[in-house]
Amino acid sequence: GQNIDQPTEMTATEGAIVQINCTYQTSGFNGLFWYQQHAGEAPTFLSYNVLDGLEEKGRFSSFLSRSKGYSYLLLKELQMKDSASYLCAPLDSNYQLIWGAGTKLIIKP
Amino acid sequence: GAVVSQHPSRVICKSGTSVKIECRSLDFQATTMFWYRQFPKQSLMLMATSNEGSKATYEQGVEKDKFLINHASLTLSTLTVTSAHPEDSSFYICSARLMDREDYEQYFGPGTRLTVT
Repeated sequence: GQNIDQPTEMTATEGAIVQINCTYQTSGFNGLFWYQQHAGEAPTFLSYNVLDGLEEKGRFSSFLSRSKGYSYLLLKELQMKDSASYLCAPLDSNYQLIWGAGTKLIIKP
Repeated sequence: GAVVSQHPSRVICKSGTSVKIECRSLDFQATTMFWYRQFPKQSLMLMATSNEGSKATYEQGVEKDKFLINHASLTLSTLTVTSAHPEDSSFYICSARLMDREDYEQYFGPGTRLTVT
């Protein structure tokens, strides 16, 4: 079957760094997306990894290891507005996004 | 670029009535549009995938006759919830995928919150 595993909730302090891990099992693999979703809103795109390694984009970086079925999202210089759910979503062999429940990130002052 | 709109953003309807939700790609043509439903504190659940000019592909457990999807053009897809019941109350989100885009990124609309009383 297809499965996404992320921590349910994480707490971090404003200005700090946090890493959100994701392990996945899918039928085929065509890359992995990270999305941010604020409560009551639709997801917004953060990153896409298709090759192994680290992709850096401003305060956000995403890492992928295809052999381990593992990815992480790294958020630096945390701001209060980063409080949201972060969704790890791999693309399966049919190019369908597979969604987990996401990680709710709480930022404290 | 790559903006997707949804209308309405919120709708309250009475049990037994039908509700239509529109999803539009404003500045691009979308080969494929997706309809999701999300209950509070749960993951996005794909309901159906629609390609312009053809019938939608529904996920297992989603009733075709209850959730009617029409994808009449490359910029518009509609979801009609027929004979709505309180258990259909949810957050409905559409997304669209650009033509000829190799990374298969989906651009999401802002969502529609449906409340059935």
